[in-house]
Amino acid sequence: DAGVIQSPRHEVTEMGQEVTLRCKPISGHDYLFWYRQTMMRGLELLIYFNNNVPIDDSGMPEDRFSAKMPNASFSTLKIQPSEPRDSAVYFCASSFSSGSTGELFFGEGSRLTVL
Amino acid sequence: AQSVTQLGSHVSVSEGALVLLRCNYSSSVPPYLFWYVQYPNQGLQLLLKYTSAATLVKGINGFEAEFKKSETSFHLTKPSAHMSDAAEYFCAVSGSSSNTGKLIFGQGTTLQVKP
Repeated sequence: DAGVIQSPRHEVTEMGQEVTLRCKPISGHDYLFWYRQTMMRGLELLIYFNNNVPIDDSGMPEDRFSAKMPNASFSTLKIQPSEPRDSAVYFCASSFSSGSTGELFFGEGSRLTVL
Repeated sequence: AQSVTQLGSHVSVSEGALVLLRCNYSSSVPPYLFWYVQYPNQGLQLLLKYTSAATLVKGINGFEAEFKKSETSFHLTKPSAHMSDAAEYFCAVSGSSSNTGKLIFGQGTTLQVKP
């Protein structure tokens, strides 16, 4: 399997622009997670899905952030409008629930810089 | 509620010395526990996991961890550090009975290995 695939790997944008981050989970996994990593706050869970349905979005910082999972093989995290404080590395992870121990498989991350 | 505390945000050892990274957890249900490693500019990779089968768990790259219920600890050790072990290490917990797929991560410990 190719693992969790994220794009873009790097994104530099200006304040106020819309940013869309993409994730393809491992085939067959039924959980998908979006994390944000910064030096100040460490690794934060933003939102997670089970069978394409959002289960917990309490970590989404503001209404500027939205996430969708239109099908089992694709998810997006959108920031509109972006702000400099959104600069971070965003990770997508997936897991398989049935009979598993909850191990997460992470993508390589999308490094976002908002100027 | 579950939580993880990693003692020491930064640990420095000499090459060949013992590595000890500390993790204490809090969980109201029997936990599953994980150690992940993150190399620079990469995603998190699973080092090892405890799933109640054995209290001493061996992982990749010579790492191991021991689950101690009485101390609510899951410390990570390696007998002899190698330069390639320099990375950030995360401890995480999930509830084995709930199986929501959601992991709670600690703040991370950066391991520096000096020649």
